[in-house]
Amino acid sequence: KQEVTQIPAALSVPEGENLVLNCSFTDSAIYNLQWFRQDPGKGLTSLLLIQSSQREQTSGRLNASLDKSSGRSTLYIAASQPGDSATYLCAVARNSGNTPLVFGKGTRLSVIA
Amino acid sequence: GAGVSQTPSNKVTEKGKYVELRCDPISGHTALYWYRQSLGQGPEFLIYFQGTGAADDSGLPNDRFFAVRPEGSVSTLKIQRTERGDSAVYLCASSPSGRRVETQYFGPGTRLLVL
Repeated sequence: KQEVTQIPAALSVPEGENLVLNCSFTDSAIYNLQWFRQDPGKGLTSLLLIQSSQREQTSGRLNASLDKSSGRSTLYIAASQPGDSATYLCAVARNSGNTPLVFGKGTRLSVIA
Repeated sequence: GAGVSQTPSNKVTEKGKYVELRCDPISGHTALYWYRQSLGQGPEFLIYFQGTGAADDSGLPNDRFFAVRPEGSVSTLKIQRTERGDSAVYLCASSPSGRRVETQYFGPGTRLLVL
């Protein structure tokens, strides 16, 4: 059974810092990996999707990397802003069958002005 | 265009009651997913529809939970004889065709509290 772990569970940083969020998964037979953002009381917003054949994806100040063989992904946020404060969730899609996602518990990020 | 919508946004019920949660996916999306998110946890898969049929219901915790999508658009998640442990945020997501390359678009969720 696929298990997704995110470290740290919570993180507080001053504005302007670069930071890294970590995600690990137990079964490397994944089709893709996604990073989502969740704001309190709201749904999930997809930030980056990395296919299993890719090593990284970039969008603005966000960069996500994937090392499928070691079962790890990182989300790098450059020059953090208070508006980045949210919970960040990592999710993997199975390599076979249907497309339900398996999520980690998330990292709760606070960026202090 | 409009995103995924879910109603109600909040639902408070008493143990043993029946509840229905509704999801309106993005127009034209054939794939629809239900997830449940307990406090401090990530979302957990419940059921996946492709069109009108449930393609994968392996995540439903027991037979008190049932979902339908009779016309291939709106879906209703039904919970019978609710228990306090059913309290969670129920999230709905949709995607254009259910292919794994696609992003799933999530609604804001329904927060269910069973007293």
